[in-house]
Amino acid sequence: DGGITQSPKYLFRKEGQNVTLSCEQNLNHDAMYWYRQDPGQGLRLIYYSQIVNDFQKGDIAEGYSVSREKKESFPLTVTSAQKNPTAFYLCASSIFLGGSYNEQFFGPGTRLTVL
Amino acid sequence: EDKVVQSPLSLVVHEGDTVTLNCSYEVTNFRSLLWYKQEKKAPTFLFMLTSSGIEKKSGRLSSILDKKELSSILNITATQTGDSAIYLCAGIYGGSQGNLIFGKGTKLSVKP
Repeated sequence: DGGITQSPKYLFRKEGQNVTLSCEQNLNHDAMYWYRQDPGQGLRLIYYSQIVNDFQKGDIAEGYSVSREKKESFPLTVTSAQKNPTAFYLCASSIFLGGSYNEQFFGPGTRLTVL
Repeated sequence: EDKVVQSPLSLVVHEGDTVTLNCSYEVTNFRSLLWYKQEKKAPTFLFMLTSSGIEKKSGRLSSILDKKELSSILNITATQTGDSAIYLCAGIYGGSQGNLIFGKGTKLSVKP
């Protein structure tokens, strides 16, 4: 089955810890994205990557880091510099077709809670 | 500043009612508008609208884009309890980068 997987489903972090959220896709999509969702808010873009070994900051990149060593994988690290990391994190991917990127497909999300 | 605004933010209806959700946008180099349905977890894709005035339909759901008014509507007819969800609207901007800017969503609750 093609799709996007995220792990873990739930994650608890202590103050001062770095944690890494996994995102894998087997859709052969070119671009991958990380979003953060807070209650009552829309999705806000953290980072995105259109090709391997390249990524760009989104609107709220501070306190986060990413890598894109393989087309299928786009892990997100939430560092201790992120002061308010408790949120629902969504990974997405899209294909470049017809000269533009198309709709994004989402993984099931990771809910991160700071203890 | 780019923005997408949805209204209403929440809505409660009864089964069988018809609802209309609104989305307005101010997006640089606007290309398309997308609608998603979010239940517990991942948003699921509903529609992508690129051309003005052309209605897209899927079962009881339909949507249309008005580029002159910079807006879109999502209609749901004969609502069911399974339609209860947050409906997200997003604009694609930034030329060919394909980045999305999301509205805050409309939370729809359908009562039996």
